[in-house]
Amino acid sequence: EAGVAQSPRYKIIEKRQSVAFWCNPISGHATLYWYQQILGQGPKLLIQFQNNGVVDDSQLPKDRFSAERLKGVDSTLKIQPAKLEDSAVYLCASSLVGQGAYEQYFGPGTRLTVT
Amino acid sequence: LAKTTQPISMDSYEGQEVNITCSHNNIATNDYITWYQQFPSQGPRFIIQGYKTKVTNEVASLFIPADRKSSTLSLPRVSLSDTAVYYCLVGDLSRGGKLIFGQGTELSVKP
Repeated sequence: EAGVAQSPRYKIIEKRQSVAFWCNPISGHATLYWYQQILGQGPKLLIQFQNNGVVDDSQLPKDRFSAERLKGVDSTLKIQPAKLEDSAVYLCASSLVGQGAYEQYFGPGTRLTVT
Repeated sequence: LAKTTQPISMDSYEGQEVNITCSHNNIATNDYITWYQQFPSQGPRFIIQGYKTKVTNEVASLFIPADRKSSTLSLPRVSLSDTAVYYCLVGDLSRGGKLIFGQGTELSVKP
């Protein structure tokens, strides 16, 4: 079974530029999550989708961050404009929903450096 | 959402058993307790999950007392490759819920 795919793996941009990350979850997983992990901290949930609807985006800085999950499969996370404090690893995860759902599967992450 | 508290760091030596305890005083009735492991430059990886009493798999054991307000992850005979950050989380994914990560416990295994 293929895992969660993310691209790019690394990205370096200057502040005020824009950037986009892509995630392809495990086939059949209805729930998709985006996390931000700053060095030395645990992952922080930014947004949670179930199919193509947003379940929780309470921690998403909506003035600069946006995310979409068209057709309930792939998802993109965008930052525009980027700030220095956005330097972090952005993790995508997916899970089943319903009976038997117990595990989030994480992708390898995208390491963003904002200079 | 239930908040979890666990030690920031622990040290151990190869071959020892390591026990990491997590506190989750306001765990909800439907919540499961899940532990994840994270190596540098990788996403977190599921280790074990339980609801009550004891759960064991090929990697670890999870002990949960009757009141479920805490849990202990037990790693038998750790090796250098077990050096990682371990996260304790509570939640119920089956109902479309989410898992909130704390700071985790950084385990360092020495030779």
